[in-house]
Amino acid sequence: QVQLVQSGAEVKKPGASVKVSCKASGYTFTSYYMHWVRQAPGQGLEWMGIINPSGGSTSYAQKFQGRVTMTRDTSTSTVYMELSSLRSEDTAVYYCARGPYGVMDVWGQGTTVTVSS
Amino acid sequence: DIVMTQTPLSSPVTLGQPASISCRSSQSLVHSDGNTYLSWLQQRPGQPPRLLIYKISNRFSGVPDRFSGSGAGTDFTLKISRVEAEDVGVYYCMQATQFPPTFGQGTKVEIK
Repeated sequence: QVQLVQSGAEVKKPGASVKVSCKASGYTFTSYYMHWVRQAPGQGLEWMGIINPSGGSTSYAQKFQGRVTMTRDTSTSTVYMELSSLRSEDTAVYYCARGPYGVMDVWGQGTTVTVSS
Repeated sequence: DIVMTQTPLSSPVTLGQPASISCRSSQSLVHSDGNTYLSWLQQRPGQPPRLLIYKISNRFSGVPDRFSGSGAGTDFTLKISRVEAEDVGVYYCMQATQFPPTFGQGTKVEIK
């Protein structure tokens, strides 16, 4: 079955970077885009960006431009999301979600990132 | 960006009774390809979001038929015909017609 398995929780200090992974299985990795969405504690969903695992092209939300980098490794069917210059407001659960056009149909279990001094 | 507005933000319902959530977009969600990329997601407590409905009214694999979606243009509705205990959670509408994808604020469904 289609599955997205994300890396474990992270605790980071302000100013540091975090890299979250999302390993896909059960489908052809390069056939579907992958989104990253985050959710701050008690808040709603916020779209961060998207990567095409086939060619590696990316598009990021304006809010995160310059701070986020999404990459992929086709040999391991894994996508990565790196967020730099972390601040307390980046404390959130980060999700990857598979993206056939116009929808996010399968979601990872989420990775909690805590930014605290 | 397209703004998605959900009402109500909280919906206490009695088990076995229906529930309805509205979602309004700030612009038409009809894509140039003729499709309307409006989805509904369910997030149970402590769980990741789960796709329920896509393109207004199509139930995703494994979604019970008590969930239905309707609407057109800028106004959309998610209905639960008979609420069950496992339906407790937050429901989000999401548009992906126009970049970037945007979400509604979420509607909390709870049992009275």
